[in-house]
Amino acid sequence: AQKITQTQPGMFVQEKEAVTLDCTYDTSDPSYGLFWYKQPSSGEMIFLIYQGSYDQQNATEGRYSLNFQKARKSANLVISASQLGDSAMYFCAMREGYRYGNKLVFGAGTILRVKS
Amino acid sequence: DTGVSQDPRHKITKRGQNVTFRCDPISEHNRLYWYRQTLGQGPEFLTYFQNEAQLEKSRLLSDRFSAERPKGSFSTLEIQRTEQGDSAMYLCAMKEGETQYFGPGTRLLVL
Repeated sequence: AQKITQTQPGMFVQEKEAVTLDCTYDTSDPSYGLFWYKQPSSGEMIFLIYQGSYDQQNATEGRYSLNFQKARKSANLVISASQLGDSAMYFCAMREGYRYGNKLVFGAGTILRVKS
Repeated sequence: DTGVSQDPRHKITKRGQNVTFRCDPISEHNRLYWYRQTLGQGPEFLTYFQNEAQLEKSRLLSDRFSAERPKGSFSTLEIQRTEQGDSAMYLCAMKEGETQYFGPGTRLLVL
């Protein structure tokens, strides 16, 4: 079974508007972490935001926030006030418990295009 | 700057040749990870090191692949007898706190 599912292959958003990128996950481990990374065309994976499974509040980092709904096993990324430089591939990833070595499992990604 | 450099950034080789990639974290970190990313996919875990010890290898890591981290700092990933299916981006990451920070990657093209 897919551990990380990103159902939106591509998304468009108008500059200065907000956009939500969807991510659902599957794990039976009570301790896990959820991450979002941005990958521009240059190829580098840029860390954006992290949410731990025991964190009570949704994580925020500047214009990025993570909408964590534990019961629904979703961890959607919200980008507010989109900028042209936000155009990139976005990956959701999960780290399961420490016995799994902290390796990350990634989704297939969502391409975001910001229109001017 | 993520604090991780990789060399080379690009490599073109002919099928059957051996290639070696290097990953250098700027500062010392216990855990170092290798991932492979093929076109249109998310990265997939290959292997990771805790200091010098290689603690886990993915089934993706066939016997043509070998990774080392001899002094617990930099790491190398070697692919012997390359195949066209090895064409991918090879990413190295170091763990700091809860987060893995990635290097710029090495793009390999096998002709």
